[in-house]
Amino acid sequence: AQSVSQHNHHVILSEAASLELGCNYSYGGTVNLFWYVQYPGQHLQLLLKYFSGDPLVKGIKGFEAEFIKSKFSFNLRKPSVQWSDTAEYFCAVNGVGANNLFFGTGTRLTVIP
Amino acid sequence: DVKVTQSSRYLVKRTGEKVFLECVQDMDHENMFWYRQDPGLGLRLIYFSYDVKMKEKGDIPEGYSVSREKKERFSLILESASTNQTSMYLCASSFVGATNEKLFFGSGTQLSVL
Repeated sequence: AQSVSQHNHHVILSEAASLELGCNYSYGGTVNLFWYVQYPGQHLQLLLKYFSGDPLVKGIKGFEAEFIKSKFSFNLRKPSVQWSDTAEYFCAVNGVGANNLFFGTGTRLTVIP
Repeated sequence: DVKVTQSSRYLVKRTGEKVFLECVQDMDHENMFWYRQDPGLGLRLIYFSYDVKMKEKGDIPEGYSVSREKKERFSLILESASTNQTSMYLCASSFVGATNEKLFFGSGTQLSVL
């Protein structure tokens, strides 16, 4: 069965701190991987995605994520967070050719000015 | 820009009522999805549709049904609302076959069942 695990439920950081949010998935095939973000009061939007090629992908607002196939991981990173990064972050995965997208439980990030 | 519109931002209903949640997208997407979002549980797929009049059960279809009579509209129906269906409901759409492309989400409907 497919599943996505985000082990950090709530992360609190000061501005300029570095961020790494964990994401591990379980799936028996080739996958596409995504990070979505939901800013307070806004709808979910795509932060970045991986479907092939370079396992280090760069997204909007200085975020990046690295796909490590051997670890079934797709961790999200940012070298220096800003107050405006306060949001909920969701990791998601689907099998190549599948329509369904499985989401993790989300990580709430609070950045303190 | 793609727009996914959910008809209501907030809804309050009573136990046993029939509830309709409407979603319309304006980009001619074939795929449409209904998720519910609950704290600590993330997003869970209720139903999805990959074409008009086609529907597939997601992970938690019990207590829900859907209707896709027109390509742009995907309705979620709670036949007899219960308190455990209090949740944020999110509609999303995407092109068919675009499994490596993003979903476009609506703003959500916060449903409270009393």
